[in-house]
Amino acid sequence: AQSVTQPDIHITVSEGASLELRCNYSYGATPYLFWYVQSPGQGLQLLLKYFSGDTLVQGIKGFEAEFKRSQSSFNLRKPSVHWSDAAEYFCAVGDLNAGNMLTFGGGTRLMVKP
Amino acid sequence: NAGVTQTPKFRVLKTGQSMTLLCAQDMNHEYMYWYRQDPGMGLRLIHYSVGEGTTAKGEVPDGYNVSRLKKQNFLLGLESAAPSQTSVYFCASSAQIYEQYFGPGTRLTVT
Repeated sequence: AQSVTQPDIHITVSEGASLELRCNYSYGATPYLFWYVQSPGQGLQLLLKYFSGDTLVQGIKGFEAEFKRSQSSFNLRKPSVHWSDAAEYFCAVGDLNAGNMLTFGGGTRLMVKP
Repeated sequence: NAGVTQTPKFRVLKTGQSMTLLCAQDMNHEYMYWYRQDPGMGLRLIHYSVGEGTTAKGEVPDGYNVSRLKKQNFLLGLESAAPSQTSVYFCASSAQIYEQYFGPGTRLTVT
């Protein structure tokens, strides 16, 4: 069965600093990987996705992620964080053999210091 | 184009009561999903559907039932609510292998 681990439950960065959120997955085949963001009291919004091809993917709001098969990782990065980026971030892996069901990591809550 | 909508937004139930959560999507998506979100556990899949008239169990299906009588609607039922079902419930839909679009959530409290 697939699984996703987000090792950092909370991260605090200063506004303008760079950000990297870690995600490790376990999946038997080529994974379909996603990053979602959730603002307080809201649903989840897709930031970016990896299906195949270029291992560096660009998303919305200036985010990018790099798929590294050898490390089973899909880390999310942003060069300069804005106060509005404070939210919870979820990494997920999709299983095409089971209705594209997503398995989510536990989430990383990002706080941004002024 | 409303995307994915969920009804109701909030609900409080007593133990043993029943209720149905409604999810509707207007994107003509084949696939629909119900997740629950609990602190520190991310989202866990309860049930999903790959088309009208079909349903399948996810990771945590016990205590829940679902129905997909119309392509645009996916209902989640709790026959006898328990305090362990206190959670935030999210519905999502997708066009087969593509990304899932999520509704705003339903916050359910069972006392």
